[in-house]
Parts: sequence; C-alpha cells; structure tokens
Amino acid sequence: GAGVSQTPSNKVTEKGKYVELRCDPISGHTALYWYRQSLGQGPEFLIYFQGTGAADDSGLPNDRFFAVRPEGSVSTLKIQRTERGDSAVYLCASSLTPGQNYGYTFGSGTRLTVV
Amino acid sequence: KQEVTQIPAALSVPEGENLVLNCSFTDSAIYNLQWFRQDPGKGLTSLLLIQSSQREQTSGRLNASLDKSSGRSTLYIAASQPGDSATYLCAVTLTGTYKYIFGTGTRLKVLA
Repeated sequence: GAGVSQTPSNKVTEKGKYVELRCDPISGHTALYWYRQSLGQGPEFLIYFQGTGAADDSGLPNDRFFAVRPEGSVSTLKIQRTERGDSAVYLCASSLTPGQNYGYTFGSGTRLTVV
Repeated sequence: KQEVTQIPAALSVPEGENLVLNCSFTDSAIYNLQWFRQDPGKGLTSLLLIQSSQREQTSGRLNASLDKSSGRSTLYIAASQPGDSATYLCAVTLTGTYKYIFGTGTRLKVLA
C-alpha cells in the first residue's frame, strides 16, 4: 500500500481481556517497528522485526506482550490480560532497510483504552 | 543511557514569526536524527532526516541542523503559519541499533 496501515484505529477493551493490533507496512519494507506512546510523552520502542524474525524485543514491558510477523509483511501485536496501564497509542513504522539510512514511515496508530 | 530532551515543551507565536525548536541528546554516538510532526490524534510524519555525518538538512521552510559533538539539534521554521501548529518530536538512533529514542516533543501553536 501507499502507507503504513494500522487497524483498528481505536480499541476499547475491558481489563483482563486479550487484544490484537494489526500493522500492514509499506510493500517491500523489510524492517517493521512497534512503539507505544502514552499521553504527553514521546513514543517508546517496543520491538523491531527484520523480515519474519524479532531482531530486538528489548522494549516489550513484560511477557503479556508478544508480536509476530509470520510472512515478513503484516505484523500483529498481542496483549494478554490487559491492564489499565496498557492504555496508550500503539504506533507501527516500517523502513526499506533497518532504519539506518532511510528513517521511518509511521502509521496513524491504534488508540487502546482499557477500562 | 541515551536521553533526549526538547525545549521548550510548548510554544505559542504569532503568524509569520521565525522560530527555533531545540533538541538535545546525552550520547553523541548517534547514527542519525529525525524530526517528526504529530497532529492531534494522528501518527507521526517525517520532516527531516539528518545522518550523523551531515550538518543540516532543508525542506521548504524547514531547516534542521545537527551538532553531534555538543549533542544538539535545532529545527528552524521560517515564516510560521497556523497550519504549522502541531507537536514536533525529535528522535535519535544510536550507532549499531535500529530503534529511535524520542524526546517528549514541543507543542507549537501558531496564532492567525
């Protein structure tokens, strides 16, 4: 596609529920990144994929968070047993090659609200 | 640990004014620095990307400079317009990593 697409744009869920957030990167971009942005803050890194593999998952806050990219294109961020503190905007970005020379293109994000 | 700071946190200026947004980082071993714009409820739009070997980049009314040794970057906006109102974020990548470390942003409001 022309840009990075994230669905849904908004998600409201009850505490304790499981959610999946989807990211469809720009066609041909091998690198994909997930970030989380809390209100009034800059985005914080969660995980980076190069192709199908997670090359750096050091930003995932705990084992309730997991992400996959099985075919090296679309990625899904999965959150188990959601907590109110998980409420944030989840941003996905992709780049042609791992970030060094081209920078990122971001999607519009998924606003997750846990009630 | 790399920390990125942006000053001021908020700025309100009359239309037509030239303005400077500041970004500082604690670890000078960066690979690149990128300035982004974020509109309320939206994702991030890339404005300018500066590689560590470069001193500045320009796009239209925007000019970004980088002084790696002092850990500073500035974003200069000429002849500001109400449409420039947004949050401006700077972010750096460290050499050998692929993740950006972001500042908390400057919220700009340009008054008509």
